[in-house]
Amino acid sequence: DTGVSQNPRHKITKRGQNVTFRCDPISEHNRLYWYRQTLGQGPEFLTYFQNEAQLEKSRLLSDRFSAERPKGSFSTLEIQRTEQGDSAMYLCAPNRDRVTGELFFGEGSRLTVL
Amino acid sequence: GENVEQHPSTLSVQEGDSAVIKCTYSDSASNYFPWYKQELGKRPQLIIDIRSNVGEKKDQRIAVTLNKTAKHFSLHITETQPEDSAVYFCAAAFTGGGNKLTFGTGTQLKVEL
Repeated sequence: DTGVSQNPRHKITKRGQNVTFRCDPISEHNRLYWYRQTLGQGPEFLTYFQNEAQLEKSRLLSDRFSAERPKGSFSTLEIQRTEQGDSAMYLCAPNRDRVTGELFFGEGSRLTVL
Repeated sequence: GENVEQHPSTLSVQEGDSAVIKCTYSDSASNYFPWYKQELGKRPQLIIDIRSNVGEKKDQRIAVTLNKTAKHFSLHITETQPEDSAVYFCAAAFTGGGNKLTFGTGTQLKVEL
């Protein structure tokens, strides 16, 4: 049990289409992080929320990316006008305790852009 | 920003031998250093971590060491088993600055029978 559900698990789309991923933590978490992992690389930080506030965005997050956490629980990550370079695993990690720093990733949503 | 370098990129050991993976970080403010194990097609899983106020931590067959002065930290796996075969990632973060993890490039560990 990872403590978080991510949907969809796999998404294949054509270049130019929009996609949305959802992250549902099972229990209450103050913070929620999004990371991206491309093949053969380590995860890269994208953005994080403290409750419903988006506190920081990586420069990797171009204008085509938008993330929300409207009620401080679940979060969505939308990619508009997808490009082949967006193909990656998108990982969500809720974090209850910012002091300890422990992050437990969800199973991820794998995006393939054709 | 933080930069984490990880070596080696691949490591092959015989079952029962020890494996050591090394990382260096650049930001002296970093105070949290986790290690993740990722099996093929699965999510990275946290296996052990260490904070800047300790120099060593052990959990059964795995141990981590931290040298803050040199900005080095290492993962040690003893008595390796085939199920230890995976990609291992080190990471670093400053928990007071958003706790954003910066990951190394990974080490593919193969434990041969």
